[in-house]
Amino acid sequence: EIVLTQSPGTLSLSPGERATLSCRASQSVGSNYLAWYHQKPGQAPRLLIYGASNRATGIPDKFSGSGSGTDFTLTISRLEPEDFAVYYCQQYGSSPITFGQGTRLENK
Amino acid sequence: EVQLLESRGGLVQPGGSRRLSCAASGFSFSTYAMSWVRQAPGKGLEWVAAMSGSGDTTYYSDSAQGRFTISRDNSKNTLYLQMNSLRAEDTAVYYCAKGGGSYSFYFDHWGQGALVTVSS
Repeated sequence: EIVLTQSPGTLSLSPGERATLSCRASQSVGSNYLAWYHQKPGQAPRLLIYGASNRATGIPDKFSGSGSGTDFTLTISRLEPEDFAVYYCQQYGSSPITFGQGTRLENK
Repeated sequence: EVQLLESRGGLVQPGGSRRLSCAASGFSFSTYAMSWVRQAPGKGLEWVAAMSGSGDTTYYSDSAQGRFTISRDNSKNTLYLQMNSLRAEDTAVYYCAKGGGSYSFYFDHWGQGALVTVSS
């Protein structure tokens, strides 16, 4: 099983700042099949990035994903109030599919 | 517009069973993999089970293997999760989620979730 470790656990930033979230895998993620989601309270998760760097439909270009192998990063270039949420990474390159434990992005 | 509508969850006694369903619309259902993902109260996301678009391939988490069964009826555009031998630790919101392709298991659309509570 591939264990995904996200860091930091909580990230406190202000609107307009840049956010960098990390996701590290315990072993290489096959074909860089790594996705990112965010989830707001009381809502279902929403896909942001798939295949490590491909933005999902309707996701603005302030969100970008990078990385390969075992180290992946989600960057949000200019935070807006609606970006404060919990962010999860997920690998789907091998079974079992696994999620990271989440990074809480909070408004400072 | 893609829509995924889960059936209601509810309260189940330990050791009991429950079947969840997820009615899909707005896309060619048989062309896409589907999954179930759950979230215990206040916790993170946990993948439960997945099935390819045609239904020929299934995958289960260790916690689901042997107790849960994922299935789909492509003629009815519906996904199912049969849950047996339920335990308190199965208490969670269960989401059905649409895959990105027939054998692609990132999730580009999610249902609203169904809360299943396992308690006596």
